[in-house]
Amino acid sequence: DADVTQTPRNRITKTGKRIMLECSQTKGHDRMYWYRQDPGLGLRLIYYSFDVKDINKGEISDGYSVSRQAQAKFSLSLESAIPNQTALYFCATSDFQGGAYEQYFGPGTRLTVT
Amino acid sequence: DQQVKQNSPSLSVQEGRISILNCDYTNSMFDYFLWYKKYPAEGPTFLISISSIKDKNEDGRFTVFLNKSAKHLSLHIVPSQPGDSAVYFCAASKTGNQFYFGTGTSLTVIP
Repeated sequence: DADVTQTPRNRITKTGKRIMLECSQTKGHDRMYWYRQDPGLGLRLIYYSFDVKDINKGEISDGYSVSRQAQAKFSLSLESAIPNQTALYFCATSDFQGGAYEQYFGPGTRLTVT
Repeated sequence: DQQVKQNSPSLSVQEGRISILNCDYTNSMFDYFLWYKKYPAEGPTFLISISSIKDKNEDGRFTVFLNKSAKHLSLHIVPSQPGDSAVYFCAASKTGNQFYFGTGTSLTVIP
């Protein structure tokens, strides 16, 4: 089974709709992240969380909100979706072990806003 | 403003030769750097990392070099194999908090 799972994998929604993307992890990591990937722009950080009570904005948080329901679950919401939020969304977890940071990514959610 | 830049969108290399992927950064406070590999329809996969106290780190066929004065890092893959064909992202961080990613370089290894 995958360590970081994302649901749904694909979603088409209409402008103005509320949508939630969910992320679960079995790695036991405290740190979780949401990124979006756009062609030519790489991955950009939306929100990150270092534990259940800690939520931080990333580079591009406007139009998004998050909820850390448990150590293993981190959800991303678009309250009122707009077409320029069409992108590939990745959840990731992170840990610091042996002097090294690593991030582990989920498979991604392809979101299309029409 | 893009704090981490990969100026080559694509690179083609013959199988068995060396692949060199480059990355530049602007923030001198970054102290940790990572390379990821991404196949289509999958999430990025961690490859190798380096902290700012080192200038080189090796893991099998992969070596990362860091030049702090030039704010430049590179990933060397030797020898390159067709299975290495993927998009490679570099990322940088200050104390492992936020990670800033480059735009990626698509590597094609020609058999």
